[in-house]
Amino acid sequence: NAGVTQTPKFQVLKTGQSMTLQCAQDMNHNSMYWYRQDPGMGLRLIYYSASEGTTDKGEVPNGYNVSRLNKREFSLRLESAAPSQTSVYFCASKDRGLRANTGELFFGEGSRLTVL
Amino acid sequence: QQQVKQSPQSLIVQKGGISIINCAYENTAFDYFPWYQQFPGKGPALLIAIRPDVSEKKEGRFTISFNKSAKQFSLHIMDSQPGDSATYFCAASSGGYQKVTFGIGTKLQVIP
Repeated sequence: NAGVTQTPKFQVLKTGQSMTLQCAQDMNHNSMYWYRQDPGMGLRLIYYSASEGTTDKGEVPNGYNVSRLNKREFSLRLESAAPSQTSVYFCASKDRGLRANTGELFFGEGSRLTVL
Repeated sequence: QQQVKQSPQSLIVQKGGISIINCAYENTAFDYFPWYQQFPGKGPALLIAIRPDVSEKKEGRFTISFNKSAKQFSLHIMDSQPGDSATYFCAASSGGYQKVTFGIGTKLQVIP
């Protein structure tokens, strides 16, 4: 019972390099999210996808792009990494069925990214 | 602009004591208020949640108190245990709960 799986778990990049964080969920959830976690800042929403085929900006979308590849997968891309993007990134998913009114997010274990 | 303000940022409580974390919000459209618990190296997980039509919700040693007029809510952990040591996030969402806004988190340490 994997839940939400993120890859890679750790990555070190140089300024200007690009990379994609992958996320997959096996709970048949409609909605998927990318958050970043920074000390003293909490969890901030980068992008979300309410359903397959749609994506929307969150609080801090600059410097990121996303792709909702299918219902299971939601990727986050850094086109030109900057040191300010050093963070722990979390993918999450949420149901829109019977459990939707609980608002419960299911999180992956995170991807720790360092940009030098 | 922080939509959900959380305090304190860190908290040290002795085993058996009561841990209290407070949150305040501005947006009156918020209608769902969850608390998440995060252990080191893990993602956050839902701990307990409340809607504004009730003033209190209790699950085991964890209680949410909600004051709609003051736009404040708090988490109380009774008989705190070392295993409760974690980071706690309050959060809020509205309108279909598509976007969940989090507080900055409180790092709780329960000492023996």
